[in-house]
Amino acid sequence: DQQVKQNSPSLSVQEGRISILNCDYTNSMFDYFLWYKKYPAEGPTFLISISSIKDKNEDGRFTVFLNKSAKHLSLHIVPSQPGDSAVYFCAASGGDMRFGAGTRLTVKP
Amino acid sequence: GAGVSQSPRYKVAKRGQDVALRCDPISGHVSLFWYQQALGQGPEFLTYFQNEAQLDKSGLPSDRFFAERPEGSVSTLKIQRTQQEDSAVYLCASGTGTGYEKLFFGSGTQLSVL
Repeated sequence: DQQVKQNSPSLSVQEGRISILNCDYTNSMFDYFLWYKKYPAEGPTFLISISSIKDKNEDGRFTVFLNKSAKHLSLHIVPSQPGDSAVYFCAASGGDMRFGAGTRLTVKP
Repeated sequence: GAGVSQSPRYKVAKRGQDVALRCDPISGHVSLFWYQQALGQGPEFLTYFQNEAQLDKSGLPSDRFFAERPEGSVSTLKIQRTQQEDSAVYLCASGTGTGYEKLFFGSGTQLSVL
């Protein structure tokens, strides 16, 4: 039972443009949401998070948006850089933490 | 150490063999999680500790899987009578245990069962 879903396995964007990664969840008990970035042969590293009392959180080029009524969150990267190329995991927490299947982002120079 | 350390980095086991995977969390971190990541998939929750207490083991796929954290720091994930479907990367993560925590991950143990 996938409680956190990332329906796009891959995304390719041009350097300098916006990258938008999407995530949906089913469990209304989740109250904290995170994005992790993963490079090959490494563990995921924390990128940005948002609590359920907010609808937006911004950190430099990264912004996470939360739509609680739709049980949807998204990560915006502006402007995208080649170094952003990695697999991005959405995670949701309500005690334990559950992950989506990931989206592989490729930023082309 | 500064980060979460997992050992071994790679493990090859023959089917039916028992294996033990070790996780050294960040010093002082209260919570510890184990995840299983199959190729091309996201981390799948296995089990979760707060200090030495195992609060949730609902993700363990069978009774061949066992995890412990006897002194509230180092944790061991044991898999008995390994099967080919156990082949995956096993990730350990630790956190402060407070609300709205982010987890810090180790590099994982890649288990291959032949």
